[in-house]
Amino acid sequence: QLQLQESGPGLVKPSETLSLTCTVSGGSISSSSYYWGWIRQPPGKGLEWIGSIYYSGSTYYNPSLKSRVTISVDTSKNQFSLKLTSVTAADTAVYYCARHAHSGLAANAFDIWGQGTMVTVSS
Amino acid sequence: QSVLTQPPSVSGAPGQRVTISCTGSSSNIGAVYDVHWYQQLPGTAPKLLIYGNSNRPSGVPDRFSGSKSGTSASLAITGLQAEDEADYYCQSYDSSLSGSRVFGTGTKVTVL
Repeated sequence: QLQLQESGPGLVKPSETLSLTCTVSGGSISSSSYYWGWIRQPPGKGLEWIGSIYYSGSTYYNPSLKSRVTISVDTSKNQFSLKLTSVTAADTAVYYCARHAHSGLAANAFDIWGQGTMVTVSS
Repeated sequence: QSVLTQPPSVSGAPGQRVTISCTGSSSNIGAVYDVHWYQQLPGTAPKLLIYGNSNRPSGVPDRFSGSKSGTSASLAITGLQAEDEADYYCQSYDSSLSGSRVFGTGTKVTVL
């Protein structure tokens, strides 16, 4: 059973960099069938896709966040990571990592999610 | 600001049928891109409910069904149950936004 688990600081100061890691267990992040993505949800609000990465390192980012986001993958550790620079209070949210298929009927559908981790931006 | 619009809330009595609309445009739903639906129970991560417009993952009751027509999609819940009270989100791909996966604004389903 594939599982995803987010980890990282729950509190980040304004203007600093938010860094999170998603650890994949029960399967390989190097599967050619899937992308690995980050999604966030501010308190009381909807879902926002941040970006996705393929095991080869190819990335796709939300244009509204692209200038501040970097997603990377470490296949040796079966992990992928998110860095978001110059954070403000507007970046306070629950951050989820999730898997989505590369092709087929389920292409772009996030079928497995981590439990999410709350990140608060505050001094 | 989401490019997929959903009604903020819908409600129904137990046993009734409710539908949730998801309205997009020619660069997402109206193009060749499929629509997926998620259910988010309070305090939990979203769960994939429908993929590829109308397909249910294993374990999802057949009370949930999806459809797509033109630039819109719909999720129907028949035989509404108390446990269906949750937030529901549609999601697709938008070709005008550099490969963006886009979510709908979300709909709160209340079981009366």
